[in-house]
Amino acid sequence: QLHLQESGPGLLKPSETLSLICSVSGGSIDRSNYYWGWIRQPPGKGLEWIGNIFYIGSAYQNPSLKSRVTISVDTSKNQFSLRLSSVTAADTAVYYCARWFGSSWEDAFDIWGQGTMVTVSS
Amino acid sequence: QSALTQPPSASGSPGQSVTISCTGTRSDVGAYDYVSWYQQHPGKAPKLLIYKVTQRPSGVPDRFSGSKSANTASLTVSGLQAEDEADYYCSSYAGGNNFLFGGGTNLTVL
Repeated sequence: QLHLQESGPGLLKPSETLSLICSVSGGSIDRSNYYWGWIRQPPGKGLEWIGNIFYIGSAYQNPSLKSRVTISVDTSKNQFSLRLSSVTAADTAVYYCARWFGSSWEDAFDIWGQGTMVTVSS
Repeated sequence: QSALTQPPSASGSPGQSVTISCTGTRSDVGAYDYVSWYQQHPGKAPKLLIYKVTQRPSGVPDRFSGSKSANTASLTVSGLQAEDEADYYCSSYAGGNNFLFGGGTNLTVL
């Protein structure tokens, strides 16, 4: 059974860089034809796609966040990560990692982590 | 690009059917049959209900069905049950390696 778990600091100050890791267990991140993604949800609001990455490193990001987002994968640790620079209070959200169950945009996020709350406050 | 448009709320009585709409544009929902739907209970991660407009992952009851017409996709929940009370989100590929979610619909079972 595949399991995803987000980890990282829960509190940041404005202008700092958010760094989160998604640890994948129960399956190898590089032995399947899947993408891996990040999604966030501000308190009381809807979902926002941040980006997806394939295990060989090809990645796609939300155009509205692209200048601040870096998504990378570490197959040796079976994990992928998110960096979001220059955070503001607007980046306060629950951050989810998830598996995109194929290599085409016709697929979807079928397995999700439990989410981790990140608060940006001075 | 803006989020896909969903009604903020919907409701129905147990046993009834409810349909939730998801309106996009000719560049996203209207251009691709790549619409998915997710269910989210409070404090929980979203769960995939529908992908490729009409396809259900294994384990999702057939009470949940999807459809699409032009720029609007729809999720129908038949035979409403108390546990269907949740938030529902649509999503769609928007071209140019971009992906959108809807604003979400809170479904209340009366």
